[in-house]
Amino acid sequence: AQTVTQSQPEMSVQEAETVTLSCTYDTSENNYYLFWYKQPPSRQMILVIRQEAYKQQNATENRFSVNFQKAAKSFSLKISDSQLGDTAMYFCAFMKGGNQFYFGTGTSLTVIP
Amino acid sequence: EPEVTQTPSHQVTQMGQEVILRCVPISNHLYFYWYRQILGQKVEFLVSFYNNEISEKSEIFDDQFSVERPDGSNFTLKIRSTKLEDSAMYFCASSVRTQAKHTGELFFGEGSRLTVL
Repeated sequence: AQTVTQSQPEMSVQEAETVTLSCTYDTSENNYYLFWYKQPPSRQMILVIRQEAYKQQNATENRFSVNFQKAAKSFSLKISDSQLGDTAMYFCAFMKGGNQFYFGTGTSLTVIP
Repeated sequence: EPEVTQTPSHQVTQMGQEVILRCVPISNHLYFYWYRQILGQKVEFLVSFYNNEISEKSEIFDDQFSVERPDGSNFTLKIRSTKLEDSAMYFCASSVRTQAKHTGELFFGEGSRLTVL
């Protein structure tokens, strides 16, 4: 079975600072996809960043980047130059190539002005 | 920008009643999903739907649940006889599958909050 663990239920960061959200997962698969989704208050979840497991290079999207450690089964999200609009619940998710996504319990991030 | 829409945003029902949650996926998407999130817990997969049939379902998706795409645009989740433990936020999602590989992106609705009393 696939499991995704986010060990930080809540985090906060000063505006313009950098924060890292942790995620670990457990799988016996070799090919899979990892994602970070963001859910702002009262809004739908949107994709932040995606990583294919076969790619060694860490994905980046503007201020968002990941540290993907396949052997350690770790997939952390780094947010640089944090902005107030980054305040949201962040979910780490895993997909092995079928249609089923496995989500973590989420990390609530608050950006403090 | 096209988005997934869900109705109702909040429904309160009595235990044992039937509930239908509605979703309008993005029009060119082929895969449809229902997920749920019980308060304080992780988002859990319920079911995926493709080509007018269920393609995968979890153990949560028992005989009390059913899905339907009645008219080519709506995608519904029915709970026949609600239980207290069905209280949760239900998220609809859709995705488009490329020929090469799954793009991996789910587009979510804002969710329907179901409260069973």
